[in-house]
Amino acid sequence: EDKVVQSPLSLVVHEGDTVTLNCSYEVTNFRSLLWYKQEKKAPTFLFMLTSSGIEKKSGRLSSILDKKELFSILNITATQTGDSAVYLCAVGGYNTDKLIFGTGTRLQVFP
Amino acid sequence: AAGVIQSPRHLIKEKRETATLKCYPIPRHDTVYWYQQGPGQDPQFLISFYEKMQSDKGSIPDRFSAQQFSDYHSELNMSSLELGDSALYFCASSSAPDTQYFGPGTRLTVL
Repeated sequence: EDKVVQSPLSLVVHEGDTVTLNCSYEVTNFRSLLWYKQEKKAPTFLFMLTSSGIEKKSGRLSSILDKKELFSILNITATQTGDSAVYLCAVGGYNTDKLIFGTGTRLQVFP
Repeated sequence: AAGVIQSPRHLIKEKRETATLKCYPIPRHDTVYWYQQGPGQDPQFLISFYEKMQSDKGSIPDRFSAQQFSDYHSELNMSSLELGDSALYFCASSSAPDTQYFGPGTRLTVL
């Protein structure tokens, strides 16, 4: 059965800390891995990764995929209170529109 | 930039009633996806449409149906509502595989 597992489930840090969120997957016919940030409403798209070893970066956020070991990490440097959210990892496969989501990592950043 | 629009944002229904949720995709996006997110859970794929045709089907109950119209908006029709249908219903749209952009969601409460 296809599955996506995220760790840790919850993370509490102080502003300025750096965090690393993990996502491992077992998905048939893997096509891409996506990271979303979900605050109180809709998941907001962060990154889509399809190739191993190529880092995607947006400001203080960066992510990389390892297709051999079947995992991805999302790094957030110099965290701010506005980074507090649930970070969802999702995987898409060929021959399906479905994204399989992990249960998310809840990040809380305190001043 | 224009985002996915969903209406209504909140909906309260009683058991056995029907509900219709609407989704307006980002302009020029041809694919629409529906997800259901229960409390504390990750989004679960329900159904998708590409160019007005059903593209993929997930864990959508038989009591639910959906369609995509000629203007690419989509409607999710839910009948014989049950308490367990209470959830956030997200619509997402894309113009390419996997990069799904989510709308703000409709929070359905069944009493």
